[in-house]
Amino acid sequence: GAGVSQSPSNKVTEKGKDVELRCDPISGHTALYWYRQSLGQGLEFLIYFQGNSAPDKSGLPSDRFSAERTGGSVSTLTIQRTQQEDSAVYLCASRPFSSTDTQYFGPGTRLTVL
Amino acid sequence: GNSVTQMEGPVTLSEEAFLTINCTYTATGYPSLFWYVQYPGEGLQLLLKATKADDKGSNKGFEATYRKETTSFHLEKGSVQVSDSAVYFCALSVDADGLTFGKGTHLIIQP
Repeated sequence: GAGVSQSPSNKVTEKGKDVELRCDPISGHTALYWYRQSLGQGLEFLIYFQGNSAPDKSGLPSDRFSAERTGGSVSTLTIQRTQQEDSAVYLCASRPFSSTDTQYFGPGTRLTVL
Repeated sequence: GNSVTQMEGPVTLSEEAFLTINCTYTATGYPSLFWYVQYPGEGLQLLLKATKADDKGSNKGFEATYRKETTSFHLEKGSVQVSDSAVYFCALSVDADGLTFGKGTHLIIQP
């Protein structure tokens, strides 16, 4: 079946602009995660949605970062007033309710802030 | 907090050599342990996992055993191939929270 998809695959923006990154999880998966991968920091957890529960935002690096998940499916990660240090690959993962552990990753969105 | 430590490499081996990539962890709570692999130009894929002490995860000839007493989850393969060249990430999760990853080990297999 279809895997996790993310769009756009690449995004180049200017410092100070806002960006939105989209994630379509695997159909039926109830949990959704955002991570970012950068050369300096490696792979970092950002935020986690589980069903209708309040999201776990403990990994968001600043209040410029936010995410929402509509209808328990698609998620959007928004970065306001982008900075050069936001340049990274942003990864989305989803997990089925029946599996407490395995997360399936999308291909990522490469964000470059000029 | 949670943390994962692994050798960063690059690790360069000849084809058919024995592979060990060390991984140790600290965790609050009882973690599940994972190895993910990222092949060149591709996304992260789960390689194997173990959810409780003494469990052995295995896949594609790779193995790792959950050692609670030494807080380790070392990855091994008896005979590596050129196609195993990739970046390998050790990770943990407690209660299905977000994964905590190691820095990744870049493995290069030469023919």
